[in-house]
Amino acid sequence: GAVVSQHPSWVICKSGTSVKIECRSLDFQATTMFWYRQFPKQSLMLMATSNEGSKATYEQGVEKDKFLINHASLTLSTLTVTSAHPEDSSFYICSARASGGARYNEQFFGPGTRLTVL
Amino acid sequence: GIQVEQSPPDLILQEGANSTLRCNFSDSVNNLQWFHQNPWGQLINLFYIPSGTKQNGRLSATTVATERYSLLYISSSQTTDSGVYFCAVTGFQKLVFGTGTRLLVSP
Repeated sequence: GAVVSQHPSWVICKSGTSVKIECRSLDFQATTMFWYRQFPKQSLMLMATSNEGSKATYEQGVEKDKFLINHASLTLSTLTVTSAHPEDSSFYICSARASGGARYNEQFFGPGTRLTVL
Repeated sequence: GIQVEQSPPDLILQEGANSTLRCNFSDSVNNLQWFHQNPWGQLINLFYIPSGTKQNGRLSATTVATERYSLLYISSSQTTDSGVYFCAVTGFQKLVFGTGTRLLVSP
């Protein structure tokens, strides 16, 4: 149990295009989901927190107009990188926090999406 | 914000050896989790352990919340244990990650 899926697992796009990444909690509900970014050989950096049905809260330094987050249901959150540039190339990881059940409050992570912007 | 430091940053072990990884945090927390990030980037939940001791097979963890540290024990290490181990704590609802310990287990 407690599986989080993320699609796509990798994407290559041209500079200036937009890319959408989907994150789903498959067997549990998540009122709160999170988006992280990880650079090579570094730790995970929180980008934003999204609560179902409300606007996302972005960390300092993260451009909310560039990284659009939607949390439309208790099992789905999306991250859209708009007008992508090479410096947006990174490994993006989503996470979902269990909002009930035996593993309440525990966070589970998707497999990540490797974005390369040419 | 809350600071999370892990030690050692790098660790090389011979297969079969035991090890202890440490996580120090700067403030009181209501959630602490240990993860293993495999070579493909997937984070695997090891323990949800805001306090006390838990064991799962060859792995065990102890968190002493009052002294603001947690320990992850790996016994009889195997090559498949290689990867990066992260602890992460929740302060103000956000899970903050430590700096990680990169473990290499050689045959």
